[in-house]
Amino acid sequence: RKEVEQDPGPFNVPEGATVAFNCTYSNSASQSFFWYRQDCRKEPKLLMSVYSSGNEDGRFTAQLNRASQYISLLIRDSKLSDSATYLCVVNEISGGYNKLIFGAGTRLAVHP
Amino acid sequence: EAGVAQSPRYKIIEKRQSVAFWCNPISGHATLYWYQQILGQGPKLLIQFQNNGVVDDSQLPKDRFSAERLKGVDSTLKIQPAKLEDSAVYLCASSLDSFSYTFGSGTRLTVV
Repeated sequence: RKEVEQDPGPFNVPEGATVAFNCTYSNSASQSFFWYRQDCRKEPKLLMSVYSSGNEDGRFTAQLNRASQYISLLIRDSKLSDSATYLCVVNEISGGYNKLIFGAGTRLAVHP
Repeated sequence: EAGVAQSPRYKIIEKRQSVAFWCNPISGHATLYWYQQILGQGPKLLIQFQNNGVVDDSQLPKDRFSAERLKGVDSTLKIQPAKLEDSAVYLCASSLDSFSYTFGSGTRLTVV
């Protein structure tokens, strides 16, 4: 079983749509969680952290369910510029050091 | 703040040749990571340095890959000899607190 699993997509949605991405992780001891965005042929960049209480940043809402080991990202009112790959990322502690474990990513294509 | 610098941006080599990549992290960042991202997959951690010491190299194919971070600043990753399956983007990242990562633009390696 992969440490971090995501639906690869692609998700093809019209502008203005609401789209949700899901992610599950296998290590129940994982400490912190993130969503990264990666544009085509670019490096990953932090989109937002994910907290148990749920958190929102503009049109983006992230949720964490520790009991189910499940993370989600909701994008409302999709824009063309949201087209990218969204990487679910889990922070684990190994040997006393933090390391980020990445999912394979979910590709989003927003069309006019 | 200057970002993470990587070079070269692109490299094409024949199988069985050697190649080296260079990374200069953000000034003051003690933790440096090398990730391998194969097309269609998420980044996979190859090696993690804390200052000039290795803290995780469990997924580094040590028969052909090596990395060093002399003086705890910049780092090199070497592949010798390269295989076709090494074709990927090699991403360097650095972190001050092991939670917030900054990635470089990566080196795209093609092995033919």
